[in-house]
Amino acid sequence: QKEVEQNSGPLSVPEGAIASLNCTYSDRGSQSFFWYRQYSGKSPELIMSIYSNGDKEDGRFTAQLNKASQYVSLLIRDSQPSDSATYLCAARTGASGGSYIPTFGRGTSLIVHP
Amino acid sequence: DAGVIQSPRHEVTEMGQEVTLRCKPISGHDYLFWYRQTMMRGLELLIYFNNNVPIDDSGMPEDRFSAKMPNASFSTLKIQPSEPRDSAVYFCASSGPSGVTGNTIYFGEGSWLTVV
Repeated sequence: QKEVEQNSGPLSVPEGAIASLNCTYSDRGSQSFFWYRQYSGKSPELIMSIYSNGDKEDGRFTAQLNKASQYVSLLIRDSQPSDSATYLCAARTGASGGSYIPTFGRGTSLIVHP
Repeated sequence: DAGVIQSPRHEVTEMGQEVTLRCKPISGHDYLFWYRQTMMRGLELLIYFNNNVPIDDSGMPEDRFSAKMPNASFSTLKIQPSEPRDSAVYFCASSGPSGVTGNTIYFGEGSWLTVV
């Protein structure tokens, strides 16, 4: 059973602070990792994808991947109230032949208060 | 690109009625996924297709649920008969070919189903 685990939160941070969201996965065959943001009543939208160990930065967002520890994180710098949403972590294998199933975590609710 | 297009966006139906949800994936994508999202269970994968062929339908909750993909640009998820516990948001998503890169999953806006 492939699993992606996230703390459901809510994670509450003050405006301007760094928000740190964490995710662990069980399938060592996972090769692609994604962070989605979902506002209430909306569909998930992709924020970041990461495939290699280390950090990947995009604006205020940094994704971190540690395959040895099976750990993915998302850092949001200078958090804004508009970042308040649920953040979904997803892991996916790179294999073909029918095992190409993305597994999503339950999501972490982030609240950024002014 | 218009993205993944789903219809209807909202549906309210009576218990026992047939519900058909529709999806048009992003052109060129060869994977199509149907998800259901509820507060209790989060985002659940119901079924996915590769090149229009159903690959894994183990997430389909019951025989009342069925899905088809007659061509690369259209898929349906049908519930017959519908029950109140089917009330949820149903997302269709698509992605490009397998491989380490270029395989981002894109979601449609969702179909909000309420069965009364």
